[in-house]
Amino acid sequence: GESVGLHLPTLSVQEGDNSIINCAYSNSASDYFIWYKQESGKGPQFIIDIRSNMDKRQGQRVTVLLNKTVKHLSLQIAATQPGDSAVYFCAEKGSWGKLQFGAGTQVVVTP
Amino acid sequence: KAGVTQTPRYLIKTRGQQVTLSCSPISGHRSVSWYQQTPGQGLQFLFEYFSETQRNKGNFPGRFSGRQFSNSRSEMNVSTLELGDSALYLCASSEAAENEKLFFGSGTQLSVL
Repeated sequence: GESVGLHLPTLSVQEGDNSIINCAYSNSASDYFIWYKQESGKGPQFIIDIRSNMDKRQGQRVTVLLNKTVKHLSLQIAATQPGDSAVYFCAEKGSWGKLQFGAGTQVVVTP
Repeated sequence: KAGVTQTPRYLIKTRGQQVTLSCSPISGHRSVSWYQQTPGQGLQFLFEYFSETQRNKGNFPGRFSGRQFSNSRSEMNVSTLELGDSALYLCASSEAAENEKLFFGSGTQLSVL
């Protein structure tokens, strides 16, 4: 899962397997959550978002799950491909009105 | 549509200098946000502009400032550069003022020597 600070967690996944990236958010009043993918040398790229009135949302090969009881967010990637290797960030939008990002998780896809 | 464009892509400055970074948002987007990204601190919010007005500001010293023009283009300025200002500065735009679903540029990599 993600944590704030110097250490960037790494998830190693075999090509073709499903990936699950976890994120613990801080503010129970946050009403919007979003996942980004950042490849080396590029800016973060939007993957999927979800509002707090939903528990699950699906996109193309990705699913976001929201558990408000334990303030937990997860991103599932189906049939992980080499192009999925990147750093993945979750972000929450709370009462302060701006997106606050987690530290990120490095996903490494192995053949 | 063209994406968010940031210039320059790379910058090298020395301590005490100042720097101005530029951002052109996606056409039609009126909100521009700036973030600082470092390996140690991750993505830290600097400020957000909407319709030429600063709506939100992060916890950065007054040396960091920004502005937005009537065409939604934005600039950020850092004065009296310090070594710790070395970072990737990311600009993001969104359609509305709710500061959701940000679209990021590739960033300006600033190195302070």
